[in-house]
Amino acid sequence: DAKTTQPTSMDCAEGRAANLPCNHSTISGNEYVYWYRQIHSQGPQYIIHGLKNNETNEMASLIITEDRKSSTLILPHATLRDTAVYYCIVRVGGGGADGLTFGKGTHLIIQP
Amino acid sequence: DAGVTQSPTHLIKTRGQHVTLRCSPISGHKSVSWYQQVLGQGPQFIFQYYEKEERGRGNFPDRFSARQFPNYSSELNVNALLLGDSALYLCASSRTSGGHTDTQYFGPGTRLTVL
Repeated sequence: DAKTTQPTSMDCAEGRAANLPCNHSTISGNEYVYWYRQIHSQGPQYIIHGLKNNETNEMASLIITEDRKSSTLILPHATLRDTAVYYCIVRVGGGGADGLTFGKGTHLIIQP
Repeated sequence: DAGVTQSPTHLIKTRGQHVTLRCSPISGHKSVSWYQQVLGQGPQFIFQYYEKEERGRGNFPDRFSARQFPNYSSELNVNALLLGDSALYLCASSRTSGGHTDTQYFGPGTRLTVL
C-alpha cells in the first residue's frame, strides 16, 4: 500500500469547515483512499473512501485531485465532537488481506 | 444493528502470563481483523481471518495467535506477555476479505496493561 503524509495537527473554529489534507504521491491505479478518525481511547471510526471521483456522505466530503496524488477530507460544519485524530489510508482494491496501514494521522482540534 | 463488540474492556496481567481477548463482528460480516495500538501510535495490523482461515498476518511474533469460530467471532491469544504488549487491542469486522468493499468497522478495543 502507498504511503501517506499528513500534517501532525490542525486547528479549526467550531462551525467552520475543517479541511484535512493528505498526500499520497505514490498511489497506484487500483488503490483507494480511506479516511478514519479516532476519538481519544476509542476504536477508529470509518468516515469515507473513494477511488478517483469526489465522494460525499452524511459525515464528510472527500476531494481527490485529478492526478490522485493528494486528497482533502472536508467536515463541512465542525463541532467540538469532531476533535480527533484523522487517518488517511490508501489501500489496494480487489484483493489483499494485509490490513490497514495507519500512520500517525492529523490531530484535529476544534476550538470553541 | 449492534456494532463490533469486544471483551473485556480492560485487563491487567503480569509478565509471562497468557491473555485471551474476544471479538464479535457485526451481523453478516465474515471477516475479523486484529490490530495493536500502543500509546501515541496508529494501530498496527496483527491478523485477518475470513471464513475461519487466516488470510493475512502482520509483523508480530509467534506469541500472538488467533482463531475464528463458526459464528465468525474471534479470539486473540498472546502468550508469555511482555511489558511492551501493553496496548489497546482493536478488532475490526468486514463483510469479506480484501477489496475496496471490504470496509473495516472497528470495535471499542480492549485495554491491556502488563505489569
